[in-house]
Amino acid sequence: EAQVTQNPRYLITVTGKKLTVTCSQNMNHEYMSWYRQDPGLGLRQIYYSMNVEVTDKGDVPEGYKVSRKEKRNFPLILESPSPNQTSLYFCASSFLGSSYEQYFGPGTRLTVT
Amino acid sequence: QQQVKQSPQSLIVQKGGISIINCAYENTAFDYFPWYQQFPGKGPALLIAIRPDVSEKKEGRFTISFNKSAKQFSLHIMDSQPGDSATYFCAASGGKSSGDKLTFGTGTRLAVRP
Repeated sequence: EAQVTQNPRYLITVTGKKLTVTCSQNMNHEYMSWYRQDPGLGLRQIYYSMNVEVTDKGDVPEGYKVSRKEKRNFPLILESPSPNQTSLYFCASSFLGSSYEQYFGPGTRLTVT
Repeated sequence: QQQVKQSPQSLIVQKGGISIINCAYENTAFDYFPWYQQFPGKGPALLIAIRPDVSEKKEGRFTISFNKSAKQFSLHIMDSQPGDSATYFCAASGGKSSGDKLTFGTGTRLAVRP
């Protein structure tokens, strides 16, 4: 089954404790992206990657890091989480040049206290 | 800055009625305009998409109307059903020249009453 998986689905952590949210896709997509979803703000892009070892900032990259060492994986790293990073996070992927058709993961609900 | 403006924020429609959600954009370089549907606890999923050289696209009960001169597009859901209750996002794709960026509207929460 073609899918994007994210882990964990739910996470409660404390300020400053480093965490990683994993994302994996099995569709051989070149393009991968991370979004955060907040009420009234829609989906905002954090980082994206157009291929292995190629990453770039989206609209709200502050406080986040990513890496793309393999085509299928695109982890999101919060080195020192803060309460304003409490949000619902989605990973998505698509073929390059077809970003209008992105496949989203099930989401990760993060709470930072 | 908000490049894709979506309204209304929420919408309540009776079963069998027509749901209409509107979006406006500013960047004329956008090359695709998709709509995504999101059910509670799930990720968004592509519902229907249109290119700017087409004025209307219909898939079943879902229709996109596109007005290039006004830089507006809308989603019409005909014969709305309770199962259509979800959050809908319009979006605009910038193509490879913009890093394949997909810019989303702020979302519309639709509730269809039985």
